[in-house]
Amino acid sequence: AQSVTQLDSQVPVFEEAPVELRCNYSSSVSVYLFWYVQYPNQGLQLLLKYLSGSTLVESINGFEAEFNKSQTSFHLRKPSVHISDTAEYFCAVSPMNSGGYQKVTFGIGTKLQVIP
Amino acid sequence: ETGVTQTPRHLVMGMTNKKSLKCEQHLGHNAMYWYKQSAKKPLELMFVYSLEERVENNSVPSRFSPECPNSSHLFLHLHTLQPEDSALYLCASSPGQTSNEKLFFGSGTQLSVL
Repeated sequence: AQSVTQLDSQVPVFEEAPVELRCNYSSSVSVYLFWYVQYPNQGLQLLLKYLSGSTLVESINGFEAEFNKSQTSFHLRKPSVHISDTAEYFCAVSPMNSGGYQKVTFGIGTKLQVIP
Repeated sequence: ETGVTQTPRHLVMGMTNKKSLKCEQHLGHNAMYWYKQSAKKPLELMFVYSLEERVENNSVPSRFSPECPNSSHLFLHLHTLQPEDSALYLCASSPGQTSNEKLFFGSGTQLSVL
């Protein structure tokens, strides 16, 4: 079984300031790691994912996340946030070798509020 | 636009009503999912269909009944719901080839049970 912990339910940050959204996970098997974002009145969409290789992964809109196996963490960071980054961010894990469909476990979500 | 369409966007129903949620994808995906999103709770996986066969049913009450008539459509039939069933119901799909694929989500149906 897997579990995902997002300790911060809400994170207010001023525009152009850096932000870090924390994610820790536990699993008895090897997992893939994901961050999804949900903008108001929309479904979730994939922001970035870690499958293997370099532990630092980046998204097209400036976010990055680093996989730390020893700390079982996958924190999301952005050096300078924009108003348009206001959304809810979900950390998620999915076991490797789960077959042809996804058994994704999500965290509770962190609401990022960017203040002008 | 993710390619996954859910209708209706909003639904208000009484506890004795019967209603259905619809999900449609024309992405050629083989796996489809129903998730429940409630405030201050992680997304709950309700059902998974792979190649039109139900492969996951995570202890969901029988008042929720899924149906997958073909690979493009997924329904969630609702009857005699409870107020605590009020939530955002999200449909998702994935190609269904490997275990590291992303999920494509619809915008959800916001359900209120009175």
